[in-house]
Amino acid sequence: QQQVKQSPQSLIVQKGGISIINCAYENTAFDYFPWYQQFPGKGPALLIAIRPDVSEKKEGRFTISFNKSAKQFSLHIMDSQPGDSATYFCAAGRGGADGLTFGKGTHLIIQP
Amino acid sequence: DAGVIQSPRHEVTEMGQEVTLRCKPISGHNSLFWYRQTMMRGLELLIYFNNNVPIDDSGMPEDRFSAKMPNASFSTLKIQPSEPRDSAVYFCASRPLQGPNTEAFFGQGTRLTVV
Repeated sequence: QQQVKQSPQSLIVQKGGISIINCAYENTAFDYFPWYQQFPGKGPALLIAIRPDVSEKKEGRFTISFNKSAKQFSLHIMDSQPGDSATYFCAAGRGGADGLTFGKGTHLIIQP
Repeated sequence: DAGVIQSPRHEVTEMGQEVTLRCKPISGHNSLFWYRQTMMRGLELLIYFNNNVPIDDSGMPEDRFSAKMPNASFSTLKIQPSEPRDSAVYFCASRPLQGPNTEAFFGQGTRLTVV
């Protein structure tokens, strides 16, 4: 599997602040970049996803920024809330039918 | 729809025993994935099926691992014999095959402990 590198491993943000998580990939054949959110004891759930034909996608407080030339993408959580405390995974996929390659995750804590 | 259903939720077994994990995908989803999650390695794709046919099993760690999908509504992941290093959370996910970049829905996982 091609690697997807995610940072930081853990992140603490004050309530109302901006949480930023970064990912980098190697395989230029990847054409789908989702972010998944996972709460303890639960399976990952899709949060937001982007394709490489756009540089940014926003859904509510969540924004993906995508830099195709640098092979990097990031998740920004605006006005972070304690309920956002979870583990976040970036992932990359190819061709629509393949499985996803995941980053190792970021444990996010939002302090009230 | 109840989502992707996995059973059991928790499994504790002794080293050397056979373990079978089960998955029922969302009705109408014809791609099914098995992932393993550990602290050290994160989420790893083990194998996936399209239309009940195994497409890529390169992530299966050893011959002790095998997976089947006898029909569109059921899949199993078997470990025989199990070893302590197999302890992990195993997730099943499904999604529609048609259309690019469709969302994969995950089950709640099976936490496997091999002692």
